[in-house]
Amino acid sequence: AQTVTQSQPEMSVQEAETVTLSCTYDTSESNYYLFWYKQPPSRQMILVIRQEAYKQQNATENRFSVNFQKAAKSFSLKISDSQLGDTAMYFCAFRDNQGGKLIFGQGTELSVKP
Amino acid sequence: EAGVAQSPRYKIIEKRQSVAFWCNPISGHATLYWYQQILGQGPKLLIQFQNNGVVDDSQLPKDRFSAERLKGVDSTLKIQPAKLEDSAVYLCASSSQPNSYEQYFGPGTRLTVT
Repeated sequence: AQTVTQSQPEMSVQEAETVTLSCTYDTSESNYYLFWYKQPPSRQMILVIRQEAYKQQNATENRFSVNFQKAAKSFSLKISDSQLGDTAMYFCAFRDNQGGKLIFGQGTELSVKP
Repeated sequence: EAGVAQSPRYKIIEKRQSVAFWCNPISGHATLYWYQQILGQGPKLLIQFQNNGVVDDSQLPKDRFSAERLKGVDSTLKIQPAKLEDSAVYLCASSSQPNSYEQYFGPGTRLTVT
């Protein structure tokens, strides 16, 4: 069974600084999708970035980028130029190829301080 | 395009009572997911529908939880009788197809069982 682990329950960063959130996963599949979701206090899950496992190039979306290490089964999220609005819970997720369900990690609570 | 709608946003009940949640997915989305998110954890799939058929309900506590998706559009999730450990946020998500990588989430229903 696939598992997703986020080992950092809480992190904080100063506004305008860079922060990296860690995620590891376990799977026997060779092709899959990985995601980072943001969940602010409103509880709305917002897709931040996705990575397709067969693509070697790391995904980038504006200030957000990932470091995808397939052999190590590692998928970290880097947030550059952190903004106060980035304060939220961040979840790493693995997409199950059988039915498409998402398997989430435990989350990292990120606080951006002024 | 309207997003995924859920109601109610909040619900407080006593243990052993029953409760129902409603979800209206994005128009045309064939796949619908119900996730349970216990405080401090990542969401966990309860049940997945493809149109009005169940694809995966392996994590649904069937002695007390039930769900249906009549006509392949709206869905309801019911708990009867509720237990204290059912206190959680119930998230509904939809995607156009099971193999579509992106799931769109609703705002969730926060259930408190006292």
